[in-house]
Amino acid sequence: EPEVTQTPSHQVTQMGQEVILRCVPISNHLYFYWYRQILGQKVEFLVSFYNNEISEKSEIFDDQFSVERPDGSNFTLKIRSTKLEDSAMYFCASSGWTVRTGELFFGEGSRLTVL
Amino acid sequence: DQQVKQNSPSLSVQEGRISILNCDYTNSMFDYFLWYKKYPAEGPTFLISISSIKDKNEDGRFTVFLNKSAKHLSLHIVPSQPGDSAVYFCAASARAGGTSYGKLTFGQGTILTVHP
Repeated sequence: EPEVTQTPSHQVTQMGQEVILRCVPISNHLYFYWYRQILGQKVEFLVSFYNNEISEKSEIFDDQFSVERPDGSNFTLKIRSTKLEDSAMYFCASSGWTVRTGELFFGEGSRLTVL
Repeated sequence: DQQVKQNSPSLSVQEGRISILNCDYTNSMFDYFLWYKKYPAEGPTFLISISSIKDKNEDGRFTVFLNKSAKHLSLHIVPSQPGDSAVYFCAASARAGGTSYGKLTFGQGTILTVHP
């Protein structure tokens, strides 16, 4: 069964460092998303991406964040200068036609720890 | 952000009985509601959804009920099985088309434990 894969599963970084989280969405999907969950809090929408551009972003997704689909298969989230409060589980998700029923396919997540 | 609330952090039921998970929302612009399930070390998995034009949607052992006037939805699992033990998230979206369908606002989650 096709699945969304994310790397790394866990990354530890120093405050101020750049981090890139990688995702390989399901191959025929067109809609791509990043969500995050800070420990003990809700899963929060960060950004949606369609047709090679950002279609929506939340207030959390400020200038320190960027997304890219560099080669038609990978979908990356970059945090330019990490802060302590960026520590969270980051989930990539993708969807095809099932987006109409709200069915997103999530990866297992990348845990980011900022020290 | 309290637009979607799940007031019960946990629920414990016996195998074979009904599990009822509840969710309340405040944003009247929400017009699609979903339940996701999450096991430890995995991402959320879609379970079932309902449009605001309906009041019930059923899929096997899972039924979602929507009460728009009360801004309340519930997920019924009958019969409950030990494999259903997971965190259940209620989510909602205000659908304007395209990627907005996947822009979900989640509740805090309810940990369901089904005892054999």
